[in-house]
Amino acid sequence: QVKLLQSGAALVKPGDSVKMSCKASGYTFTDYIIHWVKQSHGKSLEWIGYINPYSGGTNYNEKFKSKATLTVDKSSSTAYMEFSRLTSEDSAIYYCARDGTYNWFAYWGQGTLVTVSS
Amino acid sequence: DIQMTQSPSSMSASLGDRVTITCQASQDIGNNLIWFQQKPGKSPRPMIYYATNLANGVPSRFSGSRSGSDYSLTISSLESEDMADYHCLQYKQYPLTFGSGTKLEIK
Repeated sequence: QVKLLQSGAALVKPGDSVKMSCKASGYTFTDYIIHWVKQSHGKSLEWIGYINPYSGGTNYNEKFKSKATLTVDKSSSTAYMEFSRLTSEDSAIYYCARDGTYNWFAYWGQGTLVTVSS
Repeated sequence: DIQMTQSPSSMSASLGDRVTITCQASQDIGNNLIWFQQKPGKSPRPMIYYATNLANGVPSRFSGSRSGSDYSLTISSLESEDMADYHCLQYKQYPLTFGSGTKLEIK
């Protein structure tokens, strides 16, 4: 079955970067785009962008264009998101998600908690 | 960007109540809307696709409807397991945008 396994929680200092992963299994990795979503304050959700694992093509929310970098490693079926120049506003849970065959956002990872603190 | 105005931000209802949550789109999104349920410590779970279609495995007490630019998620008879946050998402246009969420509590 489809699984998206995300990396563990990270505690990072302001100004640093963090790179989190989303390892896919149960399907052909290059067949579906991977979305990334931010959840702040335990409630509101924001779409960060997506990456096409087949082509490496990306589409970013303008709000996160200078903050997030999406990449993939096809050999390990893993998508990555790097968040740079971190501030307290970047403390959040970050999810990866995949569309279903007919439906968007059908599958989600368990989330990665990022805490930015000195 | 398309703004999704979700209301209420929180609500409390009794078991058996009929509950309705609404999202209003700032531009035409057709039926390109998903409703998610999110329980504490869990990832969002899609409940309704394309504004009105029940996702696999979702109880029939859940339904989605549309009236113009207003989209509603209705629970016909509230059960204790429905306590959760609910979010709408438009996927008509990039950037994809979510509503601000509704916290549903049981009285």
